[in-house]
Amino acid sequence: AQKVTQAQTEISVVEKEDVTLDCVYETRDTTYYLFWYKQPPSGELVFLIRRNSFDEQNEISGRYSWNFQKSTSSFNFTITASQVVDSAVYFCALSELNTGGFKTIFGAGTRLFVKA
Amino acid sequence: DTAVSQTPKYLVTQMGNDKSIKCEQNLGHDTMYWYKQDSKKFLKIMFSYNNKELIINETVPNRFSPKSPDKAHLNLHINSLELGDSAVYFCASSLSGGANTQYFGPGTRLTVL
Repeated sequence: AQKVTQAQTEISVVEKEDVTLDCVYETRDTTYYLFWYKQPPSGELVFLIRRNSFDEQNEISGRYSWNFQKSTSSFNFTITASQVVDSAVYFCALSELNTGGFKTIFGAGTRLFVKA
Repeated sequence: DTAVSQTPKYLVTQMGNDKSIKCEQNLGHDTMYWYKQDSKKFLKIMFSYNNKELIINETVPNRFSPKSPDKAHLNLHINSLELGDSAVYFCASSLSGGANTQYFGPGTRLTVL
């Protein structure tokens, strides 16, 4: 069965610190997709990245980077030189094929506080 | 240009009432979803429609009835509202044919008194 674990409920850092948000997933499938979304205090859900199970390349986008390791079933997210605007709840999500189509489940989220 | 829109943004109502939330997307997607986010921020899928057909129906009380009049719209009707229905409801859309990225609407905060 699908499962996504974000063990860090809340993280608090000071601006300019680097921070890593952990995501561990469980799936029986060999084909699956992983996502990260950001939910700032305004409430909307903002897509950050999508990664399929066959692509283990790490990705960097500006101050954001993602480390996908199938061996440990992890898809961790690092923010370098954090800024106050990074304060948000971050969700990791897993999609795998179910009856009828792909079903996405979300982790419980990690709330990140970045203090000035 | 609003990609996925929901109305209303806020909905306050009494227990026992019936209410609807509307969702529209202009992304040309063929799959739409409803998610519920509870007070602890836990986000859970409720329904998924592909080309107006229901493809995912999670364990949701049958007081919740989605309706998709066309590919660009997915509405959610809730009968006999209960206190526990208070939550933020998000609509999302994506292309089909794989786990494509879902784009979310701004959410509808439902408060049942």
